[in-house]
Amino acid sequence: KNEVEQSPQNLTAQEGEFITINCSYSVGISALHWLQQHPGGGIVSLFMLSSGKKKHGRLIATINIQEKHSSLHITASHPRDSAVYICALTGNQFYFGTGTSLTVIP
Amino acid sequence: NAGVTQTPKFQVLKTGQSMTLQCAQDMNHEYMSWYRQDPGMGLRLIHYSVGAGITDQGEVPNGYNVSRSTTEDFPLRLLSAAPSQTSVYFCASSTGPQGGQPQHFGDGTRLSIL
Repeated sequence: KNEVEQSPQNLTAQEGEFITINCSYSVGISALHWLQQHPGGGIVSLFMLSSGKKKHGRLIATINIQEKHSSLHITASHPRDSAVYICALTGNQFYFGTGTSLTVIP
Repeated sequence: NAGVTQTPKFQVLKTGQSMTLQCAQDMNHEYMSWYRQDPGMGLRLIHYSVGAGITDQGEVPNGYNVSRSTTEDFPLRLLSAAPSQTSVYFCASSTGPQGGQPQHFGDGTRLSIL
């Protein structure tokens, strides 16, 4: 049973495209986090959400608590956005999605 | 502020060897954890600790030992390495899951067992 489901698993986009990554979950949470992992690199936190929407540069994250769903959007995608994006939950414990591998082609 | 420091970054072992992966944090976090990351499986919890002297098992604890003698350090020991333990290992620290705060991750240790 997966408490966190991400889609798609893999995504290839042309530079400049608008990208959406989705996360659905089935447990009660105190917050939802979007993490970024570059190839061969560490894991960094992009956003922490408990409601509504947050924006940081070209990245936008939204959450719908009632529907237990979150999306991460990247506007005007760039090759440097190529990474694995992981949806993570905090609640009674930490939960992780399996990640979405994004490749942005110049 | 160094955050979470993991050593070594890379290691190759032979089957049956033992080793310790080191993890240290300087943020005074009570909660520390070890994960392994395998292709297509995401992060899986090996062991965690809610404070000095307290450890507990996660999802995949077999073949690994931990101890937490100080707040800062949380080493992971492989008792007798097996090829199935080839993986990338991440240490993380936080104030704990209930508070909603994110975990801070180390840079990872890439471990190959031959």
